[in-house]
Order: sequence, then structure tokens, then C-alpha cells
Amino acid sequence: QLQLVESGGGVVQPGRSLRLSCAASAFPFSSFAMHWVRQAPGKGLEWVALISFDGSNQYYADSVKGRFTISRDNSKNTLFLEMSSLRAEDTAVYYCASEFRYPNYGLDVWGQGTTVTVSS
Amino acid sequence: EIVLTQSPATLSLSPGERATLSCRASQSVTNYLAWYQQKPGQAPRLLIYAASNRATGIPARFSGSGSGTDFTLTISSLDPEDFGVYYCQQRSDWITFGQGTRLENK
Repeated sequence: QLQLVESGGGVVQPGRSLRLSCAASAFPFSSFAMHWVRQAPGKGLEWVALISFDGSNQYYADSVKGRFTISRDNSKNTLFLEMSSLRAEDTAVYYCASEFRYPNYGLDVWGQGTTVTVSS
Repeated sequence: EIVLTQSPATLSLSPGERATLSCRASQSVTNYLAWYQQKPGQAPRLLIYAASNRATGIPARFSGSGSGTDFTLTISSLDPEDFGVYYCQQRSDWITFGQGTRLENK
């Protein structure tokens, strides 16, 4: 069964860094682009970043550009999100997701999310 | 950035009724429009992709229509499990989501 499992969330002080991971199983990870999407408490969904299937291209929302880095290790079927200079407004549930069946049309495989809280 | 505006913000209906949710884009997204359902504590679930195609496993009571800037998600006869928050999302220019429509049980 296709599965994405995020980890690495927690409570972190403003200005500090945190790295999230997303492990894929029963999923042809190395063949697909991957995304991070976040959701602040009580708010809607916000796309964060995209990485191409081979890791050669990365794209970011303006709100995180220059502070977050998306990467992947296809040998370990794992996606990462390195977050630095964290702000209170980065507090959210972070989901990894893939356009598995419908490339460029819809995110049909999602993890369960990992919670990041930025607070002093 | 393409802005998606969903209406209404909240829709109060009863099981068995028909639900109509709207999503308007600030510029044309052709058919690069998807709909998601989200329930509390869960990840979003893809319902519709390419404006009008049901994703795998989605019941036939869900349908999508529209192109360009105006889109509609219709639930023909509400089931009790259909209540939650619905988001539209465009994939024409990176990804943006609408602010959501809360479908609540009247």
C-alpha cells in the first residue's frame, strides 16, 4: 500500500532550524516529483515546495524562499525539508505529497503530517 | 500568483441534499484545477482532478465542472460522511489553494 510517513516535527525557538523527513514505502519514489504542503492551525492549505523526481530542480513559495531547502535521497526513498530562520508564522502541520496517478493535476498521495511549532 | 476564491465560506445542508461549491481563479487555469476534501485531523483527499475527472475510489455523487476561471464541485446527494472542508487547487502556475468551503450538517 502506498504510504508516506513524515517525521521530525517539534517545538523550536524562533530563528532556529529544523529538518523534516518523509519516508515513502510501496511507492516508486524515485520516479515522481514530491511536494511539501503546510497548514497553519485553523487555516487553509499552503503549498511550500516542490522537487523534481531526480532532485535536480527545486521550487519554493515566496514565503519560504531563501529559508527552506527541499531535497531527496532516492536511494533511501526519503524526502527532506530543511527549515532555517524559523518564524512564528511557520507554525503548521507539514505534509509531504505526490501527484502519483495524475502528474501536474492533483496531489493524490499524502502523508499524515508532522507538526512544527515555532515558539519561545 | 493565481488567487483562488471559494464560495460560500460555509454551506449548511442536510444529508440527501445537493451541494454546489464554487471556485473562481484570478486568471485562467484552463483545466488545471483539483478539488480536495479534508476532515478534522486528516490529510486532504483528492476528489477531482483536471476540473472534471473523479480520482480513483471517489463516489459518483461527486462531480466537477468548469474551465478557465470558473469551477464548480457538485455533490448530488449528501452522505453524512461528506461533511468537512473542501479546497480547490490550481496547478497552472505552480500551486495555490483556495481558502476553503466548510460544508456543515444543518
